[in-house]
Amino acid sequence: DIVLTQSPASLAVSLGQRATISCRASQSVSTSNYGYIHWYQQKPGQPPKLLIKYASNLESGVPARFSGSGSGTDFTLNIHPVEEEDTATYYCQHNWEIPWTFGGGTKVEIK
Amino acid sequence: QVTLKESGPGILQPSQTLSLTCSFSGFSLSTSGMGVGWIRQPSGKGLEWLAHIWWDDDKRYNPALKSRLTISKNTSSNQVFLKIASVDTADTATYYCTRIEMYGNPFAYWGQGTLVTVSA
Repeated sequence: DIVLTQSPASLAVSLGQRATISCRASQSVSTSNYGYIHWYQQKPGQPPKLLIKYASNLESGVPARFSGSGSGTDFTLNIHPVEEEDTATYYCQHNWEIPWTFGGGTKVEIK
Repeated sequence: QVTLKESGPGILQPSQTLSLTCSFSGFSLSTSGMGVGWIRQPSGKGLEWLAHIWWDDDKRYNPALKSRLTISKNTSSNQVFLKIASVDTADTATYYCTRIEMYGNPFAYWGQGTLVTVSA
């Protein structure tokens, strides 16, 4: 199985500053054209919501302060400038091969 | 508008079989490329993909649970079913139904989830 390791497990960010979340895969999950990593936001009591698909493509309706980058085994989600409503847990996920797996999550709180 | 809604027993006893239903609207599972499946999340923990079924009845399972999982569909009634055999307390979780459009795409649509508790 491909293991996705997210770091940090939690972080506190001041309003208006940048939050950076890392997702490292145990093997490459990229082709020359696509990174098969997707990012989700989950708030308490709600299902996850897709933010970024294929490493860097913003899902329709998601604010432009969210961005993704990376290839191979290393991927990053950035939130800038952070807003109060961004308090949530963020997960990366791959569908390179079966089983599709998720990272352990990063809990973001706003200072 | 795509919607998915999960239903389940709420509570069941160890060793029983868990039966879940996903009722969806806004798309058809007869459409080429379409897939519906299940992901679960124990309270306060992370997400675990369980199984998916595709428009052509291709089925994919998480190998860690494959021996206990059965996924099926009724295209005409817009429903997908998941059975988990021989449950134990570790199967206590919120179970989500999700849609994928084309293999490789992300989980763009999710239901609100149904909480299942396994308890003696």
